[in-house]
Amino acid sequence: EPEVTQTPSHQVTQMGQEVILRCVPISNHLYFYWYRQILGQKVEFLVSFYNNEISEKSEIFDDQFSVERPDGSNFTLKIRSTKLEDSAMYFCASRQPPYGYTFGSGTRLTVV
Amino acid sequence: KQEVTQIPAALSVPEGENLVLNCSFTDSAIYNLQWFRQDPGKGLTSLLLIQSSQREQTSGRLNASLDKSSGRSTLYIAASQPGDSATYLCAVRKETSGSRLTFGEGTQLTVNP
Repeated sequence: EPEVTQTPSHQVTQMGQEVILRCVPISNHLYFYWYRQILGQKVEFLVSFYNNEISEKSEIFDDQFSVERPDGSNFTLKIRSTKLEDSAMYFCASRQPPYGYTFGSGTRLTVV
Repeated sequence: KQEVTQIPAALSVPEGENLVLNCSFTDSAIYNLQWFRQDPGKGLTSLLLIQSSQREQTSGRLNASLDKSSGRSTLYIAASQPGDSATYLCAVRKETSGSRLTFGEGTQLTVNP
């Protein structure tokens, strides 16, 4: 069964550093997403991406965040200057209508 | 703003028991509802997707129902097994523009052998 692949599975970074989280969505999917889950809290929407542009973003997704689809297979989330409160599990997902979401296994980001 | 609530927060049952997990949402104008399973420290595995026009979906021992007008969904697990132990999340997608999911906090299920 096709999968959404995320790398790395765990990343530790120092506060103020830039991080790039990588995702390979399912190949024929057209909609791409990033969500995050702070430990013990709900899964929260960050951003959706369609047709090479952001289609929707949440209030969490401020100027410190950016997304990119640099080629036909990868989808990345960049956090420009990490803060302690960015520590969370970040999930990438993709979707092809009329089907539901397929999520990746996540990247655990720890900011120290 | 859509709010999704799941009850109970945690549930512990003996193996073989049938059980029901509940999900409620405040805005009934949803496009669909999706149930996921999350194992500790892992990703989200999709279990069932119910479109707003549907009343239920079944997959194996799982059955999900949707009552859109009352803002409720249930996930029924038949003949529970220890391998069913996980956190179960429901998520709704709103009817209007955009396709973001709004998640509940989940029900942590433990099935004891």
